[in-house]
Amino acid sequence: AQSVTQLDSQVPVFEEAPVELRCNYSSSVSVYLFWYVQYPNQGLQLLLKYLSGSTLVESINGFEAEFNKSQTSFHLRKPSVHISDTAEYFCAVSEWDRDDKIIFGKGTRLHILP
Amino acid sequence: DTGVSQDPRHKITKRGQNVTFRCDPISEHNRLYWYRQTLGQGPEFLTYFQNEAQLEKSRLLSDRFSAERPKGSFSTLEIQRTEQGDSAMYLCASNQKPGDGNTEAFFGQGTRLTVV
Repeated sequence: AQSVTQLDSQVPVFEEAPVELRCNYSSSVSVYLFWYVQYPNQGLQLLLKYLSGSTLVESINGFEAEFNKSQTSFHLRKPSVHISDTAEYFCAVSEWDRDDKIIFGKGTRLHILP
Repeated sequence: DTGVSQDPRHKITKRGQNVTFRCDPISEHNRLYWYRQTLGQGPEFLTYFQNEAQLEKSRLLSDRFSAERPKGSFSTLEIQRTEQGDSAMYLCASNQKPGDGNTEAFFGQGTRLTVV
């Protein structure tokens, strides 16, 4: 069965600095990968996804993630963060070869420092 | 379509009472998921449906929990004899089966359960 590990529960970073949120997954088959974001007191919403094709995927607000099959990783990056990026970020995986459910990591809280 | 709807948004119940939550997925979605989320944690998988068929139920889920999706549209999640440890946000999500189109899961706003 698939699993997701988010190595950092909290990441503090200064405004306008770069950030990387790490995500590793475990699966023996092909996967879909997702990053979801949860802003304070709001529901979960999709940030970006990898289904196939280019291993680098981007969101509309400047985040990007790269699928690395050999390292089973899908790290999320942003070159310059803004105070509005304060949120909890969840990595998720779905084993499409097995037609399986979506499993989430425990989340990383991104804390932007002024 | 206005997205995934959950009802009620909040529920306070006394320990030992039964509660039932409802989820209305996006109409064209054939998959429906239930998750539980506690403070500072990621969504924990509970169960999911493909149309009306329940495909899997988490091994961590007590027998007090049951879910149905009788006509392959809305779903209900019932918790019998609630305990304080059941207090959490219960999330519903829906998407298309992989291979049928968009696999992105859309989430409802959740039902926050407080057991007192």
